[in-house]
Amino acid sequence: EVHLVESGGGLVQPGRSVRLSCAGSGFTFDDYAMHWVRQAPGKGLEWVSGINWNSGSIDYADSVKGRFTISRDNAKNSLYLQMNSLRTEDTALYYCAKDMGGFVDADGFDMWGQGTMVTVSS
Amino acid sequence: DIQMTQSPSSLSASVGDRVTITCRASQSITSYLNWYQQQPGKAPKLLIYAASTLQSGVPSRFSGSESGTDFTLTISSLQPEDFATYYCQQSYSPPLTFGGGTKVEIK
Repeated sequence: EVHLVESGGGLVQPGRSVRLSCAGSGFTFDDYAMHWVRQAPGKGLEWVSGINWNSGSIDYADSVKGRFTISRDNAKNSLYLQMNSLRTEDTALYYCAKDMGGFVDADGFDMWGQGTMVTVSS
Repeated sequence: DIQMTQSPSSLSASVGDRVTITCRASQSITSYLNWYQQQPGKAPKLLIYAASTLQSGVPSRFSGSESGTDFTLTISSLQPEDFATYYCQQSYSPPLTFGGGTKVEIK
């Protein structure tokens, strides 16, 4: 069974950093692109970043570009999101999502984790 | 960036009704359009990809269609478990973008 489990969220002060992790299982992790999608409380979905199967192509939403860094370790079946210079507007539930294909564009996200909450507040 | 405009933002319908949700892209995305269902307190679930292909395990009452830059999700006969919020998403070009969502309430 395909499974994604996020971790690393919590309460963090504005301007500080946090690193999210996502552990994948039940599928060949290095065959697929992976993404981070966030959802602020009571709001809609916002794509944050995506990385292709071999880390050769990476993209970010304009709202996080220059502050967030996505990475993956295929040997550990893991996806990461390094979040620096955090702002109050980054407060959200962060989902890890598996792409149907190996590239950031073209396909939908066929599996999602349950999310990890990041709250940015002083 | 490609903007996705979804309508309506909410609707109320009865069990058995036919429901239609529309999503318009700000430019051509060919058929790179996906639909997701999010039930309260849960992660999103992929319903339809490539505009009209039903994801495995999704009931056949869900269908998708396209006409140029306009895309439609149809629920042919609304069921109580379809109470949820629905999102479209373009996967044509990063940054990938979602529509604002349509909340479907059961009358």
